[in-house]
Amino acid sequence: EVQLVESGGGLVQPGGSLRLSCAASGFTFSNYWMDWVRQAPGKGLEWVANIKQDGSEKSYVDSVTGRFTISRDNAKNSLYLQMNSLRAEDTAVYYCARGRDGALHSWGQGTVVTVSS
Amino acid sequence: DIVMTQSPLSLPVTPGEPASISCRSSQSLLHSNGYNYLDWYLQKPGQSPQLLIYLGSNRASGVPDRFSGSGSGTDFTLKISRVEAEDVGVYYCMQGRQSPITFGPGTRLETK
Repeated sequence: EVQLVESGGGLVQPGGSLRLSCAASGFTFSNYWMDWVRQAPGKGLEWVANIKQDGSEKSYVDSVTGRFTISRDNAKNSLYLQMNSLRAEDTAVYYCARGRDGALHSWGQGTVVTVSS
Repeated sequence: DIVMTQSPLSLPVTPGEPASISCRSSQSLLHSNGYNYLDWYLQKPGQSPQLLIYLGSNRASGVPDRFSGSGSGTDFTLKISRVEAEDVGVYYCMQGRQSPITFGPGTRLETK
């Protein structure tokens, strides 16, 4: 069974940093693109970033470019999102998701990030 | 960026009746490989999103056959042949044709 378990969320002050993790199991992690998607309170879904199987390609939504960094460790079956210079508008539930055929086939349960003073 | 729009944004449906949601993209989602990079997701209340349809018309694993997807280019439709109580939630279309990936605003389906 595919499992994606996010962790690392919490309350952080504006300008602060957080590192999110996603532990993957039940599939060959190194064979898949991986994505981060977020959902602000009461809002819709917003794609944040993705990373190729070997980490050689990464893409970001404009609003996080230069502040967030996606990475992965295939030996540890883990995906990461380093978030710096956090803003109030980054407050959201952050989901990791497994990509294939341009779709997000499996999603984690999400981790909550709150940016507030 | 490709802008995704959906209609309606709210959809009350009587259980057992059909339902249809439209999704339009500002640019064609048809790739040269012949596939449309358009997916449908359902987010049930209090849950993570789940994939229903990928590449325009392919049902994801475990998705009931009452769900179907159609369309090409810039116009797509999700149809539910007979709505059940468990289908309540917000439906999103998403384009994976071009980065950044973008979602539609969502359609909230509720039963009458």
